[in-house]
Amino acid sequence: GENVEQHPSTLSVQEGDSAVIKCTYSDSASNYFPWYKQELGKGPQLIIDIRSNVGEKKDQRIAVTLNKTAKHFSLHITETQPEDSAVYFCAAVSREYGNKLVFGAGTILRVKS
Amino acid sequence: GAVVSQHPSWVICKSGTSVKIECRSLDFQATTMFWYRQFPKQSLMLMATSNEGSKATYEQGVEKDKFLINHASLTLSTLTVTSAHPEDSSFYICSARDLYGQETQYFGPGTRLLVL
Repeated sequence: GENVEQHPSTLSVQEGDSAVIKCTYSDSASNYFPWYKQELGKGPQLIIDIRSNVGEKKDQRIAVTLNKTAKHFSLHITETQPEDSAVYFCAAVSREYGNKLVFGAGTILRVKS
Repeated sequence: GAVVSQHPSWVICKSGTSVKIECRSLDFQATTMFWYRQFPKQSLMLMATSNEGSKATYEQGVEKDKFLINHASLTLSTLTVTSAHPEDSSFYICSARDLYGQETQYFGPGTRLLVL
């Protein structure tokens, strides 16, 4: 089955700096990679996703890159703001695993003002 | 668009009672809904996959008689925790997959369950 590893587990950045979170996956059949932001006491919110036929996707201050050969994908947040502080989860979906989400362990992002 | 609601948002119950949690897709139809459980400072753990009009599929180690799932319509799935015990206390989150959205899952706000 699929296994997703996420690093780092915690990340502290100064407001205005960039933040990068990295994930690796094991199943080469995985073809969809979403990123979720979860604030305390709330459900995860989809912030960006990428499919395996695309190498990079950007939405304002957020971007995701995918390297299929190396089986890793990354989340990039530029010009971080205090409201970006949250837990971020990467995930991978494999049709061979019934299209279920397999989550990484999560990254606690703290943006210091 | 793609809004998923859950009710109740939190519930406190006595040990031995049953608790029902509702998950609704408000602005789209969902043939498939998922139920997750999340312990503090941990990732989401998939409990079961709920398909409209058919029996739910449970992940290994999840007791189907303990966690009853019903997906009676394209916009509603329910999770009933039967004979709840303190160890069932957790954050329960549902997600829904759009009929045409392929793999994308949209999550509800979660339900905090505390069993005394």
